[in-house]
Amino acid sequence: GQSLEQPSEVTAVEGAIVQINCTYQTSGFYGLSWYQQHDGGAPTFLSYNALDGLEETGRFSSFLSRSDSYGYLLLQELQMKDSASYFCAVREGLDSSYKLIFGSGTRLLVRP
Amino acid sequence: NAGVTQTPKFRVLKTGQSMTLLCAQDMNHEYMYWYRQDPGMGLRLIHYSVGEGTTAKGEVPDGYNVSRLKKQNFLLGLESAAPSQTSVYFCASSWTGEQYFGPGTRLTVT
Repeated sequence: GQSLEQPSEVTAVEGAIVQINCTYQTSGFYGLSWYQQHDGGAPTFLSYNALDGLEETGRFSSFLSRSDSYGYLLLQELQMKDSASYFCAVREGLDSSYKLIFGSGTRLLVRP
Repeated sequence: NAGVTQTPKFRVLKTGQSMTLLCAQDMNHEYMYWYRQDPGMGLRLIHYSVGEGTTAKGEVPDGYNVSRLKKQNFLLGLESAAPSQTSVYFCASSWTGEQYFGPGTRLTVT
């Protein structure tokens, strides 16, 4: 079967650093994406890793280890507006559809 | 650029009624997707399309049909709504890996 595992909730303090982990078990793997979703809003794209290593985009970084079937999203200098749900998603096949399998999400609460 | 738009935003249906959700994108994307999201859960793929005139089943296609007669539009139909189809429905489009999502349709079936 296929599964993506993420913690259901994480709490952190404003200004701190938080790491959200994602482990996956899928029949194929061609990349790991991260999406952010605020309550009542639509998911928005944050990052994509196809190869091992760290990708940095401003305060957000994403890491992938394909040998460990593991990735994480790192959020630095946390702000209140970062309170949201974060989803990892795997591109399982190399077909032309780019369809994704999503994890069930991690709810991040940033406290003052 | 409006991006991805969805109509309607909210809808309440009685069991057995039918309806169509409309998704439109103005980014000339080839790929379009319909997802449902239930409370505390991730997005599950219902159907998707890799181009005008094509559709394919996702993870949870039962009870839904789709059509993509024009490249910019992707329609999701419920022929006979059931309470289990109460959910938030998101449409998305993409050219490569990054998917752009619409604002969602909140559907309640009573």
